[in-house]
Amino acid sequence: ETGVTQTPRHLVMGMTNKKSLKCEQHLGHNAMYWYKQSAKKPLELMFVYNFKEQTENNSVPSRFSPECPNSSHLFLHLHTLQPEDSALYLCASSQDSAGDTQYFGPGTRLTVL
Amino acid sequence: QKEVEQNSGPLSVPEGAIASLNCTYSDRGSQSFFWYRQYSGKSPELIMSIYSNGDKEDGRFTAQLNKASQYVSLLIRDSQPSDSATYLCAVGTLYNFNKFYFGSGTKLNVKP
Repeated sequence: ETGVTQTPRHLVMGMTNKKSLKCEQHLGHNAMYWYKQSAKKPLELMFVYNFKEQTENNSVPSRFSPECPNSSHLFLHLHTLQPEDSALYLCASSQDSAGDTQYFGPGTRLTVL
Repeated sequence: QKEVEQNSGPLSVPEGAIASLNCTYSDRGSQSFFWYRQYSGKSPELIMSIYSNGDKEDGRFTAQLNKASQYVSLLIRDSQPSDSATYLCAVGTLYNFNKFYFGSGTKLNVKP
């Protein structure tokens, strides 16, 4: 596999469920990102990991919990979500510095019932 | 004030014409500038990055940056129907991951 992959591609969950989104990058990058994209709104940066260390958490509710076990893998653990959390969740990676180009995965389309 | 502003469009141009997409940003300390293309239902893909004032050309695409005016644009020459997509402008710094912002995007329609 090449580039940035995400699984699952689609997810439907109830508000009481617990699920996880997975992202893997095959580019040798050191920075990984989670974004949320809702209709008619700009991409919102949620979390950033650089060399496995979390550098940013942009006031994201605690029902979203990231995990970065190594520079190639990133997870987003979800629990007790709300319907307004339904969105496209995108993972991206970049070489290492904040000015580097980010490459995106295909996204997970999440629907919370 | 939004960090990155784009006209939402849609911008309609005939096939073969030049499409001009514009973006303004609020943080004068911004140092990195990107244009991404996003087809409906797909993830953003990079078209071009630019870091210095002036023009940068890549095939049919030209990015223009004017830091004094806090303005970045993308020109698409010889527009094709396959260029129809939403174009996202992104602006950031070189050292602060938190200061990276996307605009809402401009929808471009290229009519055959």
